[in-house]
Amino acid sequence: GESVGLHLPTLSVQEGDNSIINCAYSNSASDYFIWYKQESGKGPQFIIDIRSNMDKRQGQRVTVLLNKTVKHLSLQIAATQPGDSAVYFCAEKRGSYIPTFGRGTSLIVHP
Amino acid sequence: DTAVSQTPKYLVTQMGNDKSIKCEQNLGHDTMYWYKQDSKKFLKIMFSYNNKELIINETVPNRFSPKSPDKAHLNLHINSLELGDSAVYFCASSSESSGNTIYFGEGSWLTVV
Repeated sequence: GESVGLHLPTLSVQEGDNSIINCAYSNSASDYFIWYKQESGKGPQFIIDIRSNMDKRQGQRVTVLLNKTVKHLSLQIAATQPGDSAVYFCAEKRGSYIPTFGRGTSLIVHP
Repeated sequence: DTAVSQTPKYLVTQMGNDKSIKCEQNLGHDTMYWYKQDSKKFLKIMFSYNNKELIINETVPNRFSPKSPDKAHLNLHINSLELGDSAVYFCASSSESSGNTIYFGEGSWLTVV
């Protein structure tokens, strides 16, 4: 079956560094990918998305890269701040199907 | 105003009890969901519902049942609670007009003792 996974369950960075969170997916038919941020005690919140016809999309301090050849997705956070500490999820979607979430990566930002 | 709200936020109950978690969304979305998040943060879809179709994850025990009195509400009923039901339950909603982005509630922490 399809699976959406993450390479690293926990990522520790220093404040000010850039963070890269990776995600692998197995369904080549997926056409929409989303990153969510979940802060402690809260629900996941949408960060940024990308469609399969794109390789890169930028937001405010965040960039998502999509490599369809190797079915890999990454979220880059520039100048990481303590407020970025959270669990990050990637999700994949195919057509009208319900998005499938990966396991999550815990990002810890040290001051 | 909270877009997706669910109550209660915390619920501690004994095994064998029946409980409900309520969810309301004021976004005008046509699709609502229930997700279960385990202790390892894995988000598992339980149900997806719009005014046309209920999609049930076949791995969800039939002790769990969604009830939708109207388009803005999707409540979760759980019968004969078991220890393994302890988790965080998230309600969510989306619509095609919002680009299919899923908006989550704040979660309901269920502890079965």
